[in-house]
Amino acid sequence: GAVVSQHPSWVICKSGTSVKIECRSLDFQATTMFWYRQFPKQSLMLMATSNEGSKATYEQGVEKDKFLINHASLTLSTLTVTSAHPEDSSFYICSAREPAGGKNQPQHFGDGTRLSIL
Amino acid sequence: AQSVSQHNHHVILSEAASLELGCNYSYGGTVNLFWYVQYPGQHLQLLLKYFSGDPLVKGIKGFEAEFIKSKFSFNLRKPSVQWSDTAEYFCAVNAGMGRRALTFGSGTRLQVQP
Repeated sequence: GAVVSQHPSWVICKSGTSVKIECRSLDFQATTMFWYRQFPKQSLMLMATSNEGSKATYEQGVEKDKFLINHASLTLSTLTVTSAHPEDSSFYICSAREPAGGKNQPQHFGDGTRLSIL
Repeated sequence: AQSVSQHNHHVILSEAASLELGCNYSYGGTVNLFWYVQYPGQHLQLLLKYFSGDPLVKGIKGFEAEFIKSKFSFNLRKPSVQWSDTAEYFCAVNAGMGRRALTFGSGTRLQVQP
């Protein structure tokens, strides 16, 4: 079945560092990928929609200059947390949907990246 | 905007007990409904989905869910749980035309005791 790979799975870094998270669709092309954030004991919240070849669409309250998204190819989207601070510590998950083919398709999720900012 | 409510935050059951997890959504139009499961240390996996047709949907591992439009509900059920069903369960909604991101409920942690 379709697989979405996310890397790294866990990163710990100092405050002020920029961190890049990769999301790859391994056996299908995804024109759209989604980035979610999950705080402890809370649900997933959509941060942004990553569109191949164009600008990402950010949800209200998400700073686009803080969370840079690049979707340079049909199989790769990256999320860069710039100048990360402790409040950015969270679990980030990406997802991708297989090509529609005329029917709705569910999303496939990556394993997530646990980001800890010291 | 749509929202999803999962009223059971933490459920503890013994093996072989029956399970029902509640999910209610708020959206007046056409919806697609999903249940995802996240086993400890693993990524989200799709359990089942409803797009149209028979409102009783059967998924993997013996799970099923019933879409009741009048109640805006999509409850998840399993007749007899196993210890391996211990996980977090998320209900999600994809509503409206052209919007393909999911809105998730807060999740229900299921703990099955042997």
